[in-house]
Amino acid sequence: DAKTTQPPSMDCAEGRAANLPCNHSTISGNEYVYWYRQIHSQGPQYIIHGLKNNETNEMASLIITEDRKSSTLILPHATLRDTAVYYCIVRSHTGNQFYFGTGTSLTVIP
Amino acid sequence: IAGITQAPTSQILAAGRRMTLRCTQDMRHNAMYWYRQDLGLGLRLIHYSNTAGTTGKGEVPDGYSVSRANTDDFPLTLASAVPSQTSVYFCASSETGRRTGELFFGEGSRLTVL
Repeated sequence: DAKTTQPPSMDCAEGRAANLPCNHSTISGNEYVYWYRQIHSQGPQYIIHGLKNNETNEMASLIITEDRKSSTLILPHATLRDTAVYYCIVRSHTGNQFYFGTGTSLTVIP
Repeated sequence: IAGITQAPTSQILAAGRRMTLRCTQDMRHNAMYWYRQDLGLGLRLIHYSNTAGTTGKGEVPDGYSVSRANTDDFPLTLASAVPSQTSVYFCASSETGRRTGELFFGEGSRLTVL
């Protein structure tokens, strides 16, 4: 299973875009990139996922490089409620197991 | 509200005791998972089940067992608890047979082994 590498922590000013990077250099052709976030001690929450193309939904945008070895999650206008740990996950080739790493702790600063 | 229910939400347990964490989902998802979360180590997969009647080992299966007698329930058992199993445990579920397979999580069970 492809592994991911994320910076342990980041800060972002409130109202600005938060850009969270993820490296997944060993990703295989049929593996998707997923992003989840965990606010305080709650269960993780799904944000977005993609295979090759850039994706956007009401929460965020996902930019995947052409070689698929890295991606960036973009929160366009970060709010204080976006302070959380963000996990980048590559779904296993068998299709079901999700392996989380340690994620990026994002702090949105007023 | 549909979703995943975990019980208990919190438990203090003496070392050597047996403990079962319960997980029930009402979304008719085929796949279910147990994770543990420890400070500095993120979320680690313990066991999973792709469908009723089958289970598999994740990253950290030792000391834990699971069963999947039906679609809705996926209990996690610690046969003889040890202090290193002090953690927050999350149950999750997802559909299979679809490319998306979004995970839905419960609210967690905080277990302290003394």
